[in-house]
Amino acid sequence: KAGVTQTPRYLIKTRGQQVTLSCSPISGHRSVSWYQQTPGQGLQFLFEYFSETQRNKGNFPGRFSGRQFSNSRSEMNVSTLELGDSALYLCASSPGGEAYEQYFGPGTRLTVT
Amino acid sequence: GESVGLHLPTLSVQEGDNSIINCAYSNSASDYFIWYKQESGKGPQFIIDIRSNMDKRQGQRVTVLLNKTVKHLSLQIAATQPGDSAVYFCAENIHPGSGYALNFGKGTSLLVTP
Repeated sequence: KAGVTQTPRYLIKTRGQQVTLSCSPISGHRSVSWYQQTPGQGLQFLFEYFSETQRNKGNFPGRFSGRQFSNSRSEMNVSTLELGDSALYLCASSPGGEAYEQYFGPGTRLTVT
Repeated sequence: GESVGLHLPTLSVQEGDNSIINCAYSNSASDYFIWYKQESGKGPQFIIDIRSNMDKRQGQRVTVLLNKTVKHLSLQIAATQPGDSAVYFCAENIHPGSGYALNFGKGTSLLVTP
């Protein structure tokens, strides 16, 4: 099985712009979660989607949003980018149900200038 | 504040020795805990997990111990190899019963010396 894929792998944006990141989960996985990783804050949970519905949400401002499609692929969007949004954005997928194992993709490195 | 924390930010061990990485958590309602390994430039890689109704779980060269009384989690790596050098994170599921929302610790850097 192919692993979790994320596109693009690297992205440079300017303050004030918006960005959309994409994640394709492992085939058959219905849950997709997003995390932000920075040197200062470490790995922080953004949100989780399951069957096209946001099931859990972390403590991030409303500028961070996401969605999941019927094929379980997910996108996250960050509007009005700030310098502090520079980070590695990681997507993880899980089969759902009683299986809690989450498998991570390689991440998208976002740099805001 | 952060509910999952690591006792040591850096651990250096000699090849062949056993490694122990510790983690403290504060959410007594967490029902699931995972250890991840992250190498430079890669996403976290699943190592082993344990549910709150267990005290110990073993994998290949790795063992996770859960002490709910003191809210402590540890990862033991047997016969540590150079390829084990990485940052290790513990994580807890802070939304038990309603999906996944992992709270990660800051990480421990494991350095294996020959």
